[in-house]
Amino acid sequence: AQSVTQLDSQVPVFEEAPVELRCNYSSSVSVYLFWYVQYPNQGLQLLLKYLSGSTLVKGINGFEAEFNKSQTSFHLRKPSVHISDTAEYFCAVTSGSNDYKLSFGAGTTVTVRA
Amino acid sequence: GAGVSQSPSNKVTEKGKDVELRCDPISGHTALYWYRQSLGQGLEFLIYFQGNSAPDKSGLPSDRFSAERTGGSVSTLTIQRTQQEDSAVYLCASSFKANYGYTFGSGTRLTVV
Repeated sequence: AQSVTQLDSQVPVFEEAPVELRCNYSSSVSVYLFWYVQYPNQGLQLLLKYLSGSTLVKGINGFEAEFNKSQTSFHLRKPSVHISDTAEYFCAVTSGSNDYKLSFGAGTTVTVRA
Repeated sequence: GAGVSQSPSNKVTEKGKDVELRCDPISGHTALYWYRQSLGQGLEFLIYFQGNSAPDKSGLPSDRFSAERTGGSVSTLTIQRTQQEDSAVYLCASSFKANYGYTFGSGTRLTVV
């Protein structure tokens, strides 16, 4: 079974500053990794995903994440945040092509201040 | 449709009543999932449908919870004899392939009073 740990529950950041959200996973097999964003009172929206290939994945809204197999990490980054990036961010993992249950981390709340 | 549609968006019910939550997935998506998001509890897998295969019900928290998917499209999650601990946001998601990334609906916020 796989699991996800998001190392920061709250991340305050100033506008135009960079942000990194940390995610570590545990799985004994190959994995597919996802980052989702949830804006207030909305559903989850897929930011980006890693299935295979290049370990640097670019997503929407200027976000990117790097898959690091040796460190079992999939950290999310954005070089310059906006007020509109204030949201909750979830890392998720599923392992293998026959596994469909997404295991989610507890979430990281990002608050962007002017 | 263009996205995953869930109804109602909000539901307040009295303890002990039954409720039905509806999910209309994206057309052509064969996989459909229900998750529950409780305050402080994160996202909890409930049930998964894939095509005509038997659903994976392993995440349903009790036998008061059931779900069905008619014609491979619309799904209904039913909670019988609701309890206060059932209060949560119930999220539905669909996908073209199991690991292709899920598209989530906006959820149904259930409040049991």
